[in-house]
Amino acid sequence: AQSVAQPEDQVNVAEGNPLTVKCTYSVSGNPYLFWYVQYPNRGLQFLLKYITGDNLVKGSYGFEAEFNKSQTSFHLKKPSALVSDSALYFCAVRAALLSGSARQLTFGSGTQLTVLP
Amino acid sequence: GAGVSQSPRYKVAKRGQDVALRCDPISGHVSLFWYQQALGQGPEFLTYFQNEAQLDKSGLPSDRFFAERPEGSVSTLKIQRTQQEDSAVYLCASSREWEGAFFGQGTRLTVV
Repeated sequence: AQSVAQPEDQVNVAEGNPLTVKCTYSVSGNPYLFWYVQYPNRGLQFLLKYITGDNLVKGSYGFEAEFNKSQTSFHLKKPSALVSDSALYFCAVRAALLSGSARQLTFGSGTQLTVLP
Repeated sequence: GAGVSQSPRYKVAKRGQDVALRCDPISGHVSLFWYQQALGQGPEFLTYFQNEAQLDKSGLPSDRFFAERPEGSVSTLKIQRTQQEDSAVYLCASSREWEGAFFGQGTRLTVV
């Protein structure tokens, strides 16, 4: 079974400050890891992914995430937050092994990010 | 089209009514997924298709839920005899193998 934990329901940060949204995962074998963002009444928008290679992954809108295998973490980061970054963020995992049941993404419960002006 | 398209965007159904939700995936994406998202929660997996084959339906909550993708492109999620607990946003996603899933905007189903 695969699972994702996002330990913070809510993260508040001042505009211009760095932000971190935490994610830890559990999966059999090597993970594929993803971050998605959701604005109100919208679907999920892909931000970035880790498949293999460099542990620091850069994505859309200045976001990046660091894969840490020993800590089974994939925290989302941004050096300088914008008010427009305020949204609901989801971390997701799937196993790298290809099998019918492994292709689905398993999502965390989400973290509401609020950037204060 | 450029993205995953879902219709209708909003659906209000009376309890006991049958509903059908449509998903048009990105052209060329063989994998198609349905997820259910309750308010303030993460999406929960319902079912997965590879082309027209339904390879995993372990997430379907009851036999009132049925999904099909007869020609390997458009998919329909059908819910029979809707109940209030079926109220949620239903998300469709498509993907190639490893690049992650691209999601539609979802259908918000409200059962009254």
